[in-house]
Amino acid sequence: AQSVTQLGSHVSVSEGALVLLRCNYSSSVPPYLFWYVQYPNQGLQLLLKYTSAATLVKGINGFEAEFKKSETSFHLTKPSAHMSDAAEYFCAVSGFGNEKLTFGTGTRLTIIP
Amino acid sequence: DTEVTQTPKHLVMGMTNKKSLKCEQHMGHRAMYWYKQKAKKPPELMFVYSYEKLSINESVPSRFSPECPNSSLLNLHLHALQPEDSALYLCASSQDLRGTREKLFFGSGTQLSVL
Repeated sequence: AQSVTQLGSHVSVSEGALVLLRCNYSSSVPPYLFWYVQYPNQGLQLLLKYTSAATLVKGINGFEAEFKKSETSFHLTKPSAHMSDAAEYFCAVSGFGNEKLTFGTGTRLTIIP
Repeated sequence: DTEVTQTPKHLVMGMTNKKSLKCEQHMGHRAMYWYKQKAKKPPELMFVYSYEKLSINESVPSRFSPECPNSSLLNLHLHALQPEDSALYLCASSQDLRGTREKLFFGSGTQLSVL
């Protein structure tokens, strides 16, 4: 079975500052890892995914994440926060042959002007 | 067209009503999903259809009845719901079931309130 843990249900950063959202995974098989973003009153949109290719994954809107097997982590970063980044961010995991995508509990990102 | 369209956007229903949620995609995807999302919680998988056949039912109560009339449409029929069923219902699609390794496309959801 796979699971993810997101540390910090709420993160606030100043506009222009570094964004760091934490995700740790647990998986009995090589995992596929994802970050999704949800803006208010909307569905989820894929930011980026890791599927066993490069460990540093670049996504949309300037976000990137690094897969670290030794730390079982897949943290999401963005060098400079923008007001439009305010949203709920979900880390998710699935495994080879597993049809289910399991989401973490989410992190609400607030940007301070 | 890379959209998943859900209707209605909002729905208020009584506990004795029967209603349906609709989802449509024209991306040629063969896997479609229903998720339930309570406020400030992650989405929870309810059903998965693959090639128009029910592939996964996450032990959802029978008052929720999914239907996949064709490869582009997915319905969720609702009957005798409870107030605790109030939530955002999200539809998603993917190329096929390997979509859990690829990408899910989500609709904007139907915000359901059960009175």
